[in-house]
Amino acid sequence: EIVLTQSPATLSVSPGETVTLSCRASQSVSSKLVWYQQKPGQAPRLLIYGASTRATGIPARFSGSGSGTEFTLTISSLQSEDFAIYYCQQYNNWPPLTFGQGTKVEIK
Amino acid sequence: EVQLVQSGGGLVQPGGSLRLSCAASGFSFDDHAMHWVRQAPGKGLEWVSGISWNSGTKEYADFVKGRFTISRDNAKTSLYLQMNSLRVEDTALYYCARDINGAAYWALDLWGQGAMVTVSS
Repeated sequence: EIVLTQSPATLSVSPGETVTLSCRASQSVSSKLVWYQQKPGQAPRLLIYGASTRATGIPARFSGSGSGTEFTLTISSLQSEDFAIYYCQQYNNWPPLTFGQGTKVEIK
Repeated sequence: EVQLVQSGGGLVQPGGSLRLSCAASGFSFDDHAMHWVRQAPGKGLEWVSGISWNSGTKEYADFVKGRFTISRDNAKTSLYLQMNSLRVEDTALYYCARDINGAAYWALDLWGQGAMVTVSS
């Protein structure tokens, strides 16, 4: 089973800042990496798949990069609605699909 | 409207059974693999099970293998999860989710509202 480790656990940032979230895989997942956003009381929302392809309707301020074992999600000019928990997920080796433990982006 | 509407959660005693349902509408249900993902209170996301578009492939997380059964009825555009021999540690919010792919498991682009399953005596 591939283990995904996200860092940091929590990011305290101010609106307008740019943030970078990290996801590291225990072995290569090629580019088969997904990012989700989850707000309190809501289901997750697909942001990025294939490591860098934005899902339908996702603003351009969200960008993903990386391959192999190291991935990043960058959120440029953070908006108030971007404060949430972000999860990565791999689909290179399944079952199971595996998720990272999440990074919480909170208001500073 | 493109949506997944879940039903079937509730309180059950350890060792009991529960069946979750997920009704799809607004899209071609049989074009997509489907999944169940759970989230224990205050915890992260955990994949439970997936099924390909034609039910030809069904996969389970080790922690539910032999206890849970995933199924779908494309004619009724519905997904199901039969949960038997429930344990306290199965307590979670269970989401159904649509895969962007039909046969393989990739990324989940549409989620239900979640159904809470509480296993307690």
